[in-house]
Amino acid sequence: DAKTTQPPSMDCAEGRAANLPCNHSTISGNEYVYWYRQIHSQGPQYIIHGLKNNETNEMASLIITEDRKSSTLILPHATLRDTAVYYCIVRAHTGFQKLVFGTGTRLLVSP
Amino acid sequence: GAVVSQHPSRVICKSGTSVKIECRSLDFQATTMFWYRQFPKKSLMLMATSNEGSKATYEQGVEKDKFLINHASLTLSTLTVTSAHPEDSSFYICSARHSDSVSGNTIYFGEGSWLTVV
Repeated sequence: DAKTTQPPSMDCAEGRAANLPCNHSTISGNEYVYWYRQIHSQGPQYIIHGLKNNETNEMASLIITEDRKSSTLILPHATLRDTAVYYCIVRAHTGFQKLVFGTGTRLLVSP
Repeated sequence: GAVVSQHPSRVICKSGTSVKIECRSLDFQATTMFWYRQFPKKSLMLMATSNEGSKATYEQGVEKDKFLINHASLTLSTLTVTSAHPEDSSFYICSARHSDSVSGNTIYFGEGSWLTVV
């Protein structure tokens, strides 16, 4: 699986948009970008995934650059409950590909 | 999203004993499940991949005789920590691959199980 690079930590004010970047310059053509988050002492929670088009669901939006070498996860209106470690992972979407976690970004949402 | 449940959420056991952790996919069938371990303030470390009806594939450095994995059905995988030692104390997390036209091969995680060996 391709390696990803994320900033170790970010801060965001409650109610503002949180934009979490991820670099994956060695991503291959069949690999998707997945985002998970882990709130303290819980299992990771799936957020969103995409291949090359921008994606949006009830939790977040995913913006993938045209060359697919980087992406941004957007939480449009961050709340205190969004404080967590966010992991960006690239993984082939077919077969039995596993998820390999990096160090992620620790997002702190403050009042 | 799909639901994956682990049991127990917390367990304390004595050194030298064995402890079993269960992972169930509640609303889907999972041909593939994964087991992770996580130390405080560290990222998740993949231990093994289990496929229903076959032997688990362990990551390098993970002792297969120490961490027994069984995936006997499409909804249940178990991790047994044998002859537990205090250094086995950790947060163990399972995940299951949900493969259908809607989820598209997405992996979902359980809540995790805290193991403390005393």
